[in-house]
Amino acid sequence: DAKTTQPPSMDCAEGRAANLPCNHSTISGNEYVYWYRQIHSQGPQYIIHGLKNNETNEMASLIITEDRKSSTLILPHATLRDTAVYYCIVRPYNTDKLIFGTGTRLQVFP
Amino acid sequence: EPEVTQTPSHQVTQMGQEVILRCVPISNHLYFYWYRQILGQKVEFLVSFYNNEISEKSEIFDDQFSVERPDGSNFTLKIRSTKLEDSAMYFCASSAEESKETQYFGPGTRLLVL
Repeated sequence: DAKTTQPPSMDCAEGRAANLPCNHSTISGNEYVYWYRQIHSQGPQYIIHGLKNNETNEMASLIITEDRKSSTLILPHATLRDTAVYYCIVRPYNTDKLIFGTGTRLQVFP
Repeated sequence: EPEVTQTPSHQVTQMGQEVILRCVPISNHLYFYWYRQILGQKVEFLVSFYNNEISEKSEIFDDQFSVERPDGSNFTLKIRSTKLEDSAMYFCASSAEESKETQYFGPGTRLLVL
């Protein structure tokens, strides 16, 4: 399974863009990149996923580098409610399970 | 917006007792999952379930665990004889046929084994 590397923690000022990086240098051509977040002890929440093109939805944007070895999740205008642990997950095509790492703890401050 | 629900929110049990954790997945979803998170640790996959069968399970999901979809709406996780190390938050998730890669998680059941 492709391994992901994320910084353990980041800070962001409220209203500013939060850019969360993820390295996945061993990703295979048919593996998707997923982002989930977990607010306090709640259930993980799906944010976005992509294969090789950049993706955007109402929550965030996902930028995947051309070589697919890294990606960045962008929360364009962070709010205090975006304080959470953000997980970057590479899911092999032949399984449905999500393998969570330790993620990035994002703290949004006023 | 439809959501996954789980009951109970908290469960305290004695070691060796059986527990059943219940989940109501999103109504048109066909893929179901259980994960757990021991306090302070990572979220771990336990099992996936589709078409009334287990499709994948982890090493954690041993003979003490079982899953069932007893009717059209509930999805349950049973632990036959609980151990202290089963204390954790248990999350149910579900996904739709047309986008099964997107899993929607419930709020979890916090299980404490004494």
